[in-house]
Amino acid sequence: GNSVTQMEGPVTLSEEAFLTINCTYTATGYPSLFWYVQYPGEGLQLLLKATKADDKGSNKGFEATYRKETTSFHLEKGSVQVSDSAVYFCALRLDDKIIFGKGTRLHILP
Amino acid sequence: SQTIHQWPATLVQPVGSPLSLECTVEGTSNPNLYWYRQAAGRGLQLLFYSVGIGQISSEVPQNLSASRPQDRQFILSSKKLLLSDSGFYLCAWSVGQGNYGYTFGSGTRLTVV
Repeated sequence: GNSVTQMEGPVTLSEEAFLTINCTYTATGYPSLFWYVQYPGEGLQLLLKATKADDKGSNKGFEATYRKETTSFHLEKGSVQVSDSAVYFCALRLDDKIIFGKGTRLHILP
Repeated sequence: SQTIHQWPATLVQPVGSPLSLECTVEGTSNPNLYWYRQAAGRGLQLLFYSVGIGQISSEVPQNLSASRPQDRQFILSSKKLLLSDSGFYLCAWSVGQGNYGYTFGSGTRLTVV
């Protein structure tokens, strides 16, 4: 079946550190891939997306590249800020439904 | 522009009481609508989705039900709440298939006591 696996958290980093959150997927077709972010007490917001192999999604300094050969969509940011503290969800979409990973909680220390 | 409204924001209900959470979308027609639950410390669980009025697909057997009485209205209900129904409930909408992500509402924090 279709699924998303992302690294378990929490991930704790100091401000200005480099961030990587790993995400791999299993899909029967050619999904679109997404990263969502959830700030405390809020709903999910779309952070970035990629719709085909080798596409790079980017937003707010975050990037992720759709790697078909490794079925991965790792999230990266070169210099994190305290305001990036949130839960990050990797997701794939095939047809009508999006399948989410379990989420990775990120803590950024000042 | 499209907006999604979800209410109430927080709700505390006793065990055995009924539940009704409402979600409405503005600025689009014939959206796909979704209800997710996020239990404490866990990921997102898809509960129901709908591709049209009166069309409801249930992803997991449970104590909840969903209805879509109008094109842009999606309601989550229960006749008798259980403690295990506590969680953060999120409504979302999307259009079409494939490339489009979902737009989420701000969520309802339900605590069953």
